[in-house]
Amino acid sequence: DGGITQSPKYLFRKEGQNVTLSCEQNLNHDAMYWYRQDPGQGLRLIYYSQIVNDFQKGDIAEGYSVSREKKESFPLTVTSAQKNPTAFYLCASTPRTVTYGYTFGSGTRLTVV
Amino acid sequence: GENVEQHPSTLSVQEGDSAVIKCTYSDSASNYFPWYKQELGKRPQLIIDIRSNVGEKKDQRIAVTLNKTAKHFSLHITETQPEDSAVYFCAASRVNTGGFKTIFGAGTRLFVKA
Repeated sequence: DGGITQSPKYLFRKEGQNVTLSCEQNLNHDAMYWYRQDPGQGLRLIYYSQIVNDFQKGDIAEGYSVSREKKESFPLTVTSAQKNPTAFYLCASTPRTVTYGYTFGSGTRLTVV
Repeated sequence: GENVEQHPSTLSVQEGDSAVIKCTYSDSASNYFPWYKQELGKRPQLIIDIRSNVGEKKDQRIAVTLNKTAKHFSLHITETQPEDSAVYFCAASRVNTGGFKTIFGAGTRLFVKA
């Protein structure tokens, strides 16, 4: 996965359940991001983190939470407050101080059952 | 607010023809413009990028042009092949507090007919 790994690839969530999506990178990138992609849609930013122990809300943060305890890891929790969580979730990373393109993970497809 | 508009949303071309996708950005502080290709069910991958101090960049069959005055940039694919069929996203980035900010276009679904 080009140095950034997302797991699981597929995830099923029951109503009222919290689920956590994993994102790990070994690229020594400072910044990490979570995007949501709905069918036929573009990428919408959920949360991002530019440094360990710090993160910021993106455009659609409601119903989601994140942590950044280690540089390599940026897990995303989809809480029961997210009423329409079925989507494709993409994690990405970049070096913080230089403008480069993103390296994306392979994605997690979350479905509510 | 800041946004990136991308056109067309769908593009169908015959194999061997050229394809052009256009994006317009609103934030004049944007200085980095990457393009991503996303095949069905896969992750987006960076295919080419351009910085604001350059007007054109080419890499084999793909090229990107940037017009800073008009705030638009375009992706050009020549001699298209069926494997070019995918969704293409443009993006505009600028330096932000502690890092940088990126806004994506909504994507263009390209079909290359054999």
